This record gives sequence, C-alpha cells and structure tokens, in this order.
Amino acid sequence: KNQVEQSPQSLIILEGKNCTLQCNYTVSPFSNLRWYKQDTGRGPVSLTIMTFSENTKSNGRYTATLDADTKQSSLHITASQLSDSASYICVVSLRGGADGLTFGKGTHLIIQP
Amino acid sequence: NAGVTQTPKFRVLKTGQSMTLLCAQDMNHEYMYWYRQDPGMGLRLIHYSVGEGTTAKGEVPDGYNVSRLKKQNFLLGLESAAPSQTSVYFCASSYFHDSYEQYFGPGTRLTVT
Repeated sequence: KNQVEQSPQSLIILEGKNCTLQCNYTVSPFSNLRWYKQDTGRGPVSLTIMTFSENTKSNGRYTATLDADTKQSSLHITASQLSDSASYICVVSLRGGADGLTFGKGTHLIIQP
Repeated sequence: NAGVTQTPKFRVLKTGQSMTLLCAQDMNHEYMYWYRQDPGMGLRLIHYSVGEGTTAKGEVPDGYNVSRLKKQNFLLGLESAAPSQTSVYFCASSYFHDSYEQYFGPGTRLTVT
C-alpha cells in the first residue's frame, strides 16, 4: 500500500531557530515528491517539487532534500519566522496517473517569539 | 488572477439535505480535483477531472457526485448529506498531472448535523 509518513507530528521552536521535518514514503512507481505549506484555515501552497533525479531544492529559507534510494525526504527551515507557523505536508506522486497523489498527515509547526 | 476560488466558505447542513460546492479556476488548467481533509488524516481525493466534460472517481467517491460542464468550473454535489461528510473540502487544479503543481482553493468547511 502506498503510504507517506511524516515526523514529528508537531513541533514547537523559538523564532530564529532552524528545524528539519522528515518524510518517509513507500509510493511506487515514484514520480515526484512535493512539500506543501498549509496555514490554518487556508488551502495548501506548494513549496517545492522534486523528481527522482533531484536531491536538493530550495525556496527561500526552505530547503528540501530527497533520497530516492532510502525513500526519505526532509524539509529544512532556516532562521524561522512567526509566519512559518503552519502545517507542512509531504506529498508523493505516482508516475503516470492523474489520481496518483498520496498525502502525508502533516507536521504542525509552531514558532514561538 | 484569482487562482482557484470556492463557494461557499462555510455551510451547515442537516442529515439528508443536499448541496453543491462550486470550484472555479482562471488559469486555464485542464485538471481539477476535489479533496476532503479530516483531522488526523491526509487529504483524500474524492473525484477528479482531466478535462471539460470528464470526471473520474478518486479514493473516497461514495456519497458525492461531480460535474465539469465548463473547463473553468468543477462542481461537487452531496445528494443526501450524512454526518460522516462533515469535513473541509478543497478544490485544486493543475495544467496537467504528475509533475505539474496543483493549486488549491481556500476550502469549504461543511458541517452535517
């Protein structure tokens, strides 16, 4: 069964600190891995999309890594800001299908001043 | 551009009532999707469309119907609402599937009593 597991479930850090969120997946055949940010009461917004051949991708203070061999990804947030408080969702796409996205449950991140 | 919009934002229904959720996108995307998001679970695909006039079932289609009469609109219908359909519903669209980014709407919070 295709699954996406994220850890930790929730995380609290102080403003200005760095943090790393983890994602493990068993989706096959793999097409790409995405990280989304979802603010409370809003829809998810894409941060990065990585294909099999990409192992790092950055978007401002967000850096995602992908190890396709171990089927693991991480999202690193540098110099956190209060606006980073949100849920971060890891999503893995199956190759070839319009219905092929498997969503993780998300990591709920709280940045404290 | 408004991106993806959803109507209504909130709705309370009684068991057995019907309603239609409207999704509109102004990005000329071919693909449109309806998801539901429940506490402690990842987003789950209800139905999707790969173009005007087409629809297909996703992971959790029971109790829902959809229509895509115009390329820019994707309607989700509940014929006889049940408490188990209490959820937050998100519409999304993408130019194509697989490696293309999905853009999400702001969501509709539906409560069935």
